[in-house]
Amino acid sequence: GAVVSQHPSRVICKSGTSVKIECRSLDFQATTMFWYRQFPKQSLMLMATSNEGSKATYEQGVEKDKFLINHASLTLSTLTVTSAHPEDSSFYICSAIISNEQFFGPGTRLTVL
Amino acid sequence: TQLLEQSPQFLSIQEGENLTVYCNSSSVFSSLQWYRQEPGEGPVLLVTVVTGGEVKKLKRLTFQFGDARKDSSLHITAAQPGDTGLYLCAGVHSSYKLIFGSGTRLLVRP
Repeated sequence: GAVVSQHPSRVICKSGTSVKIECRSLDFQATTMFWYRQFPKQSLMLMATSNEGSKATYEQGVEKDKFLINHASLTLSTLTVTSAHPEDSSFYICSAIISNEQFFGPGTRLTVL
Repeated sequence: TQLLEQSPQFLSIQEGENLTVYCNSSSVFSSLQWYRQEPGEGPVLLVTVVTGGEVKKLKRLTFQFGDARKDSSLHITAAQPGDTGLYLCAGVHSSYKLIFGSGTRLLVRP
């Protein structure tokens, strides 16, 4: 069965609003989770590393004030896209490190109108 | 900036044909992984290669890691329509961070 879940699976929002995406490790604790973004017909780009109990580490070029990451528990990391714009429309995928293996969530399709 | 280039970017073949996908890096990674991704889903791990020169087989899929641990290949024998998908290589850092390749989109026609 699935080890990592994401919610929602798809979301449509208006430009200027904020959207929260949840990533949960099911029945396992994950001190480290990763957030990726994938544009149509492109590969996955690492956005940030989410560490439980500490600040996230962002990759170069990713705005930390726009993509807020909170990893408040060992089973949940959230990504909030603030003041979303149409160019933020993408497929957002999280992954969790569980017992030294990386498991990916099913992804969240964000469409900003 | 570390880059992993995959070739070809897109491949359309007939069922039963063989194919090879290449992944080339400008850097050395501690290990390299291959994933397959279906539309609208997260990637699924196929294999991890660690040692230079290593060859791993997974049914009709053969994975090879270059001696210098900077390149890898995926060979599929007698491709099936079920093999259709996006194939991604990914370089693994010691911190579990993955740097994904540019991807190869495979279409196997019945």
